[in-house]
Amino acid sequence: AQKITQTQPGMFVQEKEAVTLDCTYDTSDPSYGLFWYKQPSSGEMIFLIYQGSYDQQNATEGRYSLNFQKARKSANLVISASQLGDSAMYFCAMRERGYSSASKIIFGSGTRLSIRP
Amino acid sequence: KAGVTQTPRYLIKTRGQQVTLSCSPISGHRSVSWYQQTPGQGLQFLFEYFSETQRNKGNFPGRFSGRQFSNSRSEMNVSTLELGDSALYLCASSRAGGEGETQYFGPGTRLLVL
Repeated sequence: AQKITQTQPGMFVQEKEAVTLDCTYDTSDPSYGLFWYKQPSSGEMIFLIYQGSYDQQNATEGRYSLNFQKARKSANLVISASQLGDSAMYFCAMRERGYSSASKIIFGSGTRLSIRP
Repeated sequence: KAGVTQTPRYLIKTRGQQVTLSCSPISGHRSVSWYQQTPGQGLQFLFEYFSETQRNKGNFPGRFSGRQFSNSRSEMNVSTLELGDSALYLCASSRAGGEGETQYFGPGTRLLVL
């Protein structure tokens, strides 16, 4: 069964520092996608970055990068030069291909990131 | 390009009532998924619709149902509301729901059951 684990319930980081948010996953499907979302206090889930299981290189999107270690089944999010606006909940998510066209996305429990000025 | 829209944004109901939430996906997206988010249970998958058919379902009681229309708009219905149904209900859309496709979320509907 697919599973996502985020072991850091909360983190405090000084502004302009880099931060790594941990995510490990478990799946028996060789084809899957990994996602990171940001959820500010307003509630909307904002897509940040995607990594496919067959991608050879780590994904990057501006200040966000994904440290993908397939053998360890980890997909950590790295935010460089953190900003006050980065304070939010961050969710790691996974979607398997499945054995049919149907596949659902599951989410980890989230990490609440707080940036200190 | 317009994003995912959800209506209403806020809703207050009493126990035993029923509620219908609406979601309009991004234009061209045919897969719509629904999630329930609560402080205690986190984000939980409710169901996914594609081309007017439910093709995946989470572990929720039959009081939770949904449907999708030919224009890909989706509704979810909760009957006989319970206090524990108070939550943020999020809708997400993607083109076809493949494992490599990003789901884009709406702003959510906050439901309070009194």
